[in-house]
Amino acid sequence: DQQVKQNSPSLSVQEGRISILNCDYTNSMFDYFLWYKKYPAEGPTFLISISSIKDKNEDGRFTVFLNKSAKHLSLHIVPSQPGDSAVYFCAATDSWGKLQFGAGTQVVVTP
Amino acid sequence: ETGVTQSPTHLIKTRGQQVTLRCSSQSGHNTVSWYQQALGQGPQFIFQYYREEENGRGNFPPRFSGLQFPNYSSELNVNALELDDSALYLCASSLGTTDPADEQYFGPGTRLTVT
Repeated sequence: DQQVKQNSPSLSVQEGRISILNCDYTNSMFDYFLWYKKYPAEGPTFLISISSIKDKNEDGRFTVFLNKSAKHLSLHIVPSQPGDSAVYFCAATDSWGKLQFGAGTQVVVTP
Repeated sequence: ETGVTQSPTHLIKTRGQQVTLRCSSQSGHNTVSWYQQALGQGPQFIFQYYREEENGRGNFPPRFSGLQFPNYSSELNVNALELDDSALYLCASSLGTTDPADEQYFGPGTRLTVT
């Protein structure tokens, strides 16, 4: 059963605009959420995370929002840059530490 | 700090064969996790090792097994390969605390093709 879902397989955005990636989860035991970025032929790299006790976490151009009642989180990238073109994975974990990933969203930033 | 490395990069096997994939964790990282990423999907958790002991397992059959060694290297073994085992296999190392924020560092993966 897919407990973490990313329903948009792809997103195209113009350079300088905002990219918004969405993620939904079903397991209420998840208490920590992460976003990973993956370039071709490389492993996923950690981007930003948020604990379930918060509703927002910001790191430079990246902000993650968590809506626990809706079991929904989103990643905002602003402004988007060409180097942001990659696959973005949403992941969640309970205190046990096992990561469960969504299927990913391919982001393409166009000039 | 050399990062997480995996070998081989690519591998082609025949159905029914056995395969061993290798991972070298970052020095000082006591935990290694293995994931399977099928085409078009996100990584799926296979199992995790902490200080050479299995520390949790996902929904994978027993023909998927692993080992972790004191020198921060580890192996994923798959017996009786099936066509559906074709995937990218990722290992990730972390310090091994109980903090969910304990960051996992991923290797580049091994692409396994089963024919």
